Amino acid sequence: QQPVQSPQAVILREGEDAVINCSSSKALYSVHWYRQKHGEAPVFLMILLKGGEQKGHEKISASFNEKKQQSSLYLTASQLSYSGTYFCGTEADRGSTLGRLYFGRGTQLTVWP
Amino acid sequence: DAGVTQSPTHLIKTRGQQVTLRCSPISGHKSVSWYQQVLGQGPQFIFQYYEKEERGRGNFPDRFSARQFPNYSSELNVNALLLGDSALYLCASSLDFLGGTGANVLTFGAGSRLTVL
Repeated sequence: QQPVQSPQAVILREGEDAVINCSSSKALYSVHWYRQKHGEAPVFLMILLKGGEQKGHEKISASFNEKKQQSSLYLTASQLSYSGTYFCGTEADRGSTLGRLYFGRGTQLTVWP
Repeated sequence: DAGVTQSPTHLIKTRGQQVTLRCSPISGHKSVSWYQQVLGQGPQFIFQYYEKEERGRGNFPDRFSARQFPNYSSELNVNALLLGDSALYLCASSLDFLGGTGANVLTFGAGSRLTVL
């Protein structure tokens, strides 16, 4: 039930945009996005719920296509601080395996000045 | 406000030994989850506890056990350590348990890095 993330790695110049995709084969209740810098804890960015509710970061947006069980994270006007590994975590739809997030393998984002 | 705190931050054990990892959730959070993160991979779910009861268990052997205390802190125990148990063990807390109503966000601690030799 591990979601598939793409691309595996992205290299950007400061100010450029990026899109990271997350796809699941299972019906989802929510998608969570995290960023992890080397040696640090994953930091919450965004949650998207079935039905359209979102909570998240001011400068980062995301979408959730419930029919396709896909989510995309949009990073616009990237800053050096955006560098890190981005993980999507998926929560299965209610009635399935509750209480856990399944994380993808991550997308490594590097922003150069 | 203090975030999720974990201890110890680093530890080295040998095969066959036992280890206990500790986690204090954010004040007011009643749910604690444990994840294992192997280098280069995403976190893998081990346990979720809410109000001292197990609310979910991942695909890990019985050598892995956990508990949650009345103050909502938690311990993860791993017995008979194997080389493959070497990983970063992450604790996350949330207000309510994942799988409950609404949107519940996990806040992760910095982790305990376990090396098994």
